[in-house]
Amino acid sequence: AQKVTQAQTEISVVEKEDVTLDCVYETRDTTYYLFWYKQPPSGELVFLIRRNSFDEQNEISGRYSWNFQKSTSSFNFTITASQVVDSAVYFCALSEVTTGNQFYFGTGTSLTVIP
Amino acid sequence: NAGVMQNPRHLVRRRGQEARLRCSPMKGHSHVYWYRQLPEEGLKFMVYLQKENIIDESGMPKERFSAEFPKEGPSILRIQQVVRGDSAAYFCASSLGQGSGNTIYFGEGSWLTVV
Repeated sequence: AQKVTQAQTEISVVEKEDVTLDCVYETRDTTYYLFWYKQPPSGELVFLIRRNSFDEQNEISGRYSWNFQKSTSSFNFTITASQVVDSAVYFCALSEVTTGNQFYFGTGTSLTVIP
Repeated sequence: NAGVMQNPRHLVRRRGQEARLRCSPMKGHSHVYWYRQLPEEGLKFMVYLQKENIIDESGMPKERFSAEFPKEGPSILRIQQVVRGDSAAYFCASSLGQGSGNTIYFGEGSWLTVV
């Protein structure tokens, strides 16, 4: 079974629109960590954020914000006023205490921001 | 550059040849991970190493693949007798500590093409 599901395979938005990337996870651990990574066209993976399971506060960093809801096992990522440079594949990942050595990645959401 | 360094960035091998991918972790990091990204898929864990030790190789194919992280020098992922299905991006990551709470930082990836 997939531990991390990113149901949106591809999303296209026009520049300056807001966009939300969905991430749903599955775990039996009570302690776990959630991550988002960005993979721009150049290919590298860029760390964006880490949240632990005990901290449900939403986080904002510039135009980026994250909504963590344990009740729905979701960790969604919103980009406000999108820009062309936001075009990339975005991956959500889960790390569990019981299997701490490996991250489980979703299949990614490809975001295209149209100028 | 204090980030995770991978080389080569791109590698082309004929079927049956060997591929060697190198990874130098971030400065101060002693934990190294290898992930594989197949086309249109997310990243899959392969192996986790500390200096001179393989800690978790549960994601490694049983044959032809091996990894090492010697006392001196970079970590190496070795693929013997490559086949077309080995064509993928191989990402190395490193972390400061061990366990699920640690953020892993990725290199730029090594793209292997088997012809």
